[in-house]
Amino acid sequence: AQKITQTQPGMFVQEKEAVTLDCTYDTSDPSYGLFWYKQPSSGEMIFLIYQGSYDQQNATEGRYSLNFQKARKSANLVISASQLGDSAMYFCAMRENSGNTPLVFGKGTRLSVIA
Amino acid sequence: GAGVSQTPSNKVTEKGKYVELRCDPISGHTALYWYRQSLGQGPEFLIYFQGTGAADDSGLPNDRFFAVRPEGSVSTLKIQRTERGDSAMYLCASSLWSQPDTQYFGPGTRLTVL
Repeated sequence: AQKITQTQPGMFVQEKEAVTLDCTYDTSDPSYGLFWYKQPSSGEMIFLIYQGSYDQQNATEGRYSLNFQKARKSANLVISASQLGDSAMYFCAMRENSGNTPLVFGKGTRLSVIA
Repeated sequence: GAGVSQTPSNKVTEKGKYVELRCDPISGHTALYWYRQSLGQGPEFLIYFQGTGAADDSGLPNDRFFAVRPEGSVSTLKIQRTERGDSAMYLCASSLWSQPDTQYFGPGTRLTVL
């Protein structure tokens, strides 16, 4: 079964607007971490934001915020004030348990920012 | 400081050949991960090292795939008898043992098997 589901293969957003990229996850572990990565056409995975399962507050990093809804098992990424340079693939990922365990990634959403 | 580096950036080989892909983690990072990313997919876990030992190799697809990290820093992913289905981007990531939530990725090696 899919552990990370990203239902939007592609999204368009107007420059300077906000956009939400959806992510739902599936785990029975009480302790887990949720991540968003950006992958530009160059291929490198760039870490954007992290949310721990016990964190009370939604994570924010600059223009990125994570809308964490634990009961719905949802971890949507919100990008505010979109820029042309935000055009890339975006991957949601989860790490179950604590410690050094591998990430499980979704299939990604391709975001295109239009001027 | 220097990030994770991977060499070569591109590798084209013929079916049946042997290839080695190299990963240089960030200095001091004891945890090292290999992932494989096929076209249109997210990365999939292959193997994870803690120091010199493979802590989890459950993601290796078959016995043609093998990875080593003999001195606890540089790692080499080895693929024997390559098949066309092995064509993918191979990504390496590293993290500090004390900061597992931040895996730093390298630029990847794009492997093409003809």
